[in-house]
Amino acid sequence: QSVLTQPPSASGTPGQRITISCSGSSSNIGSNYVYWYQQLPGTAPKLLIYRDNQRPSGVPDRFSGSRSGTSASLAISGLRSEDEADYYCAAWDDSLSGFYVFGTGTKVTVL
Amino acid sequence: QVQLVQSGSEVKKPGASVKISCKASGYSFTGYAINWVRRAPGRGLEWMGWINTNTGNPTYAQVFTGRFVFSLDTSVSTAYLQINSLKAEDTAEYYCARTLGDDWYFDFWGRGTLVTVSS
Repeated sequence: QSVLTQPPSASGTPGQRITISCSGSSSNIGSNYVYWYQQLPGTAPKLLIYRDNQRPSGVPDRFSGSRSGTSASLAISGLRSEDEADYYCAAWDDSLSGFYVFGTGTKVTVL
Repeated sequence: QVQLVQSGSEVKKPGASVKISCKASGYSFTGYAINWVRRAPGRGLEWMGWINTNTGNPTYAQVFTGRFVFSLDTSVSTAYLQINSLKAEDTAEYYCARTLGDDWYFDFWGRGTLVTVSS
């Protein structure tokens, strides 16, 4: 069971802006970077955001990330049909002997 | 270009073992750790652990201790995941992905290997 909680689903119409939340604790989001991954149907996950708000080369600036306290969020502006995918937040957790944890995942549907 | 090429799908019976490979190219293999991630049907991504490609030292997530084994063959830039005593609940897609040092983001991923465990 993940220690990072995301809403199971989010949706919007083309062109809209949506946000996905990721709630954690002081041992993960509260003290470490947050990362976001996009998994399109039938494909491997893809890095979308690293170090809270940095975009890898090739990721459109429609995707943005932020972190505050023990929560983080991913915003997708100008929603497009190709954004329909599963989205996961992730962070290192310092508890126990340390481990990497993915969020519960959010299915984004473009209406 | 950086690539992580995984071996093909496997179908195994309960109690058997399976060994999945992840061959790296396009970068210095020992410069990055290799992580393993599972996605079971109807579930999200689960981090299984990682292996230090310099020392060969594996680290397993708590849930993946015992039956799961990470290994390397640095001569062919390949990492392996072996799962012993397979159970039906091991049916999943398994991914390898690389990370650099303490920067815990997976910038390149393999395409995944589907393991199906069925009698």
